[in-house]
Amino acid sequence: GQQVMQIPQYQHVQEGEDFTTYCNSSTTLSNIQWYKQRPGGHPVFLIQLVKSGEVKKQKRLTFQFGEAKKNSSLHITATQTTDVGTYFCAGPKAAGNKLTFGGGTRVLVKP
Amino acid sequence: NAGVTQTPKFQVLKTGQSMTLQCAQDMNHEYMSWYRQDPGMGLRLIHYSVGAGITDQGEVPNGYNVSRSTTEDFPLRLLSAAPSQTSVYFCASTPRPTSSYEQYFGPGTRLTVT
Repeated sequence: GQQVMQIPQYQHVQEGEDFTTYCNSSTTLSNIQWYKQRPGGHPVFLIQLVKSGEVKKQKRLTFQFGEAKKNSSLHITATQTTDVGTYFCAGPKAAGNKLTFGGGTRVLVKP
Repeated sequence: NAGVTQTPKFQVLKTGQSMTLQCAQDMNHEYMSWYRQDPGMGLRLIHYSVGAGITDQGEVPNGYNVSRSTTEDFPLRLLSAAPSQTSVYFCASTPRPTSSYEQYFGPGTRLTVT
């Protein structure tokens, strides 16, 4: 079946530094969605990418969808303590209705 | 709008007991789904529904039943609870009858099976 892998599983970041988390699917995706889950909370939608090679920015967050629509990345610049949480990517297979989530990247920020 | 609501927030069951986790949304969303979240494993799809009267299996459906008699409600039934079903359960909804849109998640139900 479809698998979505995220690396790294954990990311310890010094406040102010940049980091990138990666998402790789075993199958072509119709779109990729990113979510953030704060400790003890529920996943909250961040963004959706649909087009091959698409890049979107939200303030310090930059999201990219690969040309083959099988991978994606999230880059955070100048990390802040408010960025603490787990970031998940998720995507349905082309023409599919089942959303598959990656295992998440848990981000810890050192002040 | 209350969004997506889930009850109860916490539940402890004994092995073999049955129970229903409730999920409701007041946004007139067509697509609803149930996920379980275990440490280090992300969210795994249990069952989903693209509209009232229509349900289908996700990737981990065994031990769970669902029904969708109304647009608003999508309860998840545990038939005979097992310790392996200890998890956090999230219900989610999206406006269109497809998973290709923003998912709105409920606050979750933390279930422990002893």
